[in-house]
Formats: sequence, structure tokens, C-alpha cells
Amino acid sequence: GAGVSQSPSNKVTEKGKDVELRCDPISGHTALYWYRQSLGQGLEFLIYFQGNSAPDKSGLPSDRFSAERTGGSVSTLTIQRTQQEDSAVYLCASSFQGARGEQYFGPGTRLTVT
Amino acid sequence: RKEVEQDPGPFNVPEGATVAFNCTYSNSASQSFFWYRQDCRKEPKLLMSVYSSGNEDGRFTAQLNRASQYISLLIRDSKLSDSATYLCVVTLDTGGFKTIFGAGTRLFVKA
Repeated sequence: GAGVSQSPSNKVTEKGKDVELRCDPISGHTALYWYRQSLGQGLEFLIYFQGNSAPDKSGLPSDRFSAERTGGSVSTLTIQRTQQEDSAVYLCASSFQGARGEQYFGPGTRLTVT
Repeated sequence: RKEVEQDPGPFNVPEGATVAFNCTYSNSASQSFFWYRQDCRKEPKLLMSVYSSGNEDGRFTAQLNRASQYISLLIRDSKLSDSATYLCVVTLDTGGFKTIFGAGTRLFVKA
């Protein structure tokens, strides 16, 4: 079946602009996660959605970052007023069993802020 | 102290070698354990779950030691294609479930 998809695959933007990154999870997966990974670094948790519960936003680095998940499916991560330190690969993952289950990752969006 | 710790490596081993990685976790409320593999500039992919009794999948064996709070991954008969970063993943129940990824251990298998 179809895996997790993300778009765009690459995004180059100028400092100060807003960007939106999209994630389509695997159908039927109730949990959705956003992470970011800087070059050569580990995964940094950003936000977690589980069903209709309030999202766990504890990993968002600043109020410039926000995410929503509409209809329990597609999610959008928005970064406002981008900074150069936001440059990273943004990875989305989904899971059938919430935080207890295996996560399946999308290919990521490589964001470059110039 | 980090909640999940791994030796970053790199581990450089010849083809055919056996190599083992450990991962320690600090929270005894940890519930589920996984090993993921991440190739260079690719997304992480699930390698295997880790069960209390230990489990094997082909050349890969995972073990869990709850008393000492670590998990291990053993790779036998290493292949060039095993070269990757191996991520240890732990989920915690702290009133709500939380997933924590280790920073990874790099493995290079040489011909």
C-alpha cells in the first residue's frame, strides 16, 4: 500500500518568508509525528497528533512553528518568518498504534533558508 | 543524562564480521523498544521491534535487559549493505505515551 508522502521534497526560501510543509500519513494511522533533522544530527521531535486528542506540541522550538491536522489525516507544518537555523530535513511519520507502535516515515522535505 | 544514549561510533568492520551495538535508556517506565536503520540522506526505516524474550530476524538479533535498562542489536555476517546509522527508539508511558529516538550509531562495513 501507499506509504507516508510529503511535499514538497525540497524547498528553498528566503529568510523571513513563511513556508508550509505537507504530510499525508498512511491511511488508517491515527498517530502522526513531525521531526526535524539537521545535517549529521539525530531526530528532533517537534509535534505529535493522536486521533482527536490535543496535540503534544512540546517539541516546537518557537512560536514561529505551528502544525495542524485536518480530518485526522493530512497534516501541515507551518514555519513563519523563516530563519537560517530552520534549514533542515523535516520528517513526518505515522503510526497505527499511537506512540506505542512502529512509526513509518515519509521521505522528508529538505528546507533551505537563504 | 540523555533519556536514550547510544555510542555514536563509527564502527568500522570488515564484511562477514559480527558487530553489536548497545543502547541505554534512563526511564524505567519505558514500554516499547525498536531499532531503526537510517541510510545517508534517507528517512529512518523500522528494522525490528525488541521483545522481552529477545528476537531474531535473519542475521539480526535484538535483546532487551530491563534490569540494566539497555537494549542491544547484534548483526552477524555483516554485508556492505548494512552500512547505515542504527537508531535506538524507546517509548515511555509518562501519563501519555512519548517516543524518544537515540542519536544513532554509525556502521561502516568494508570489503
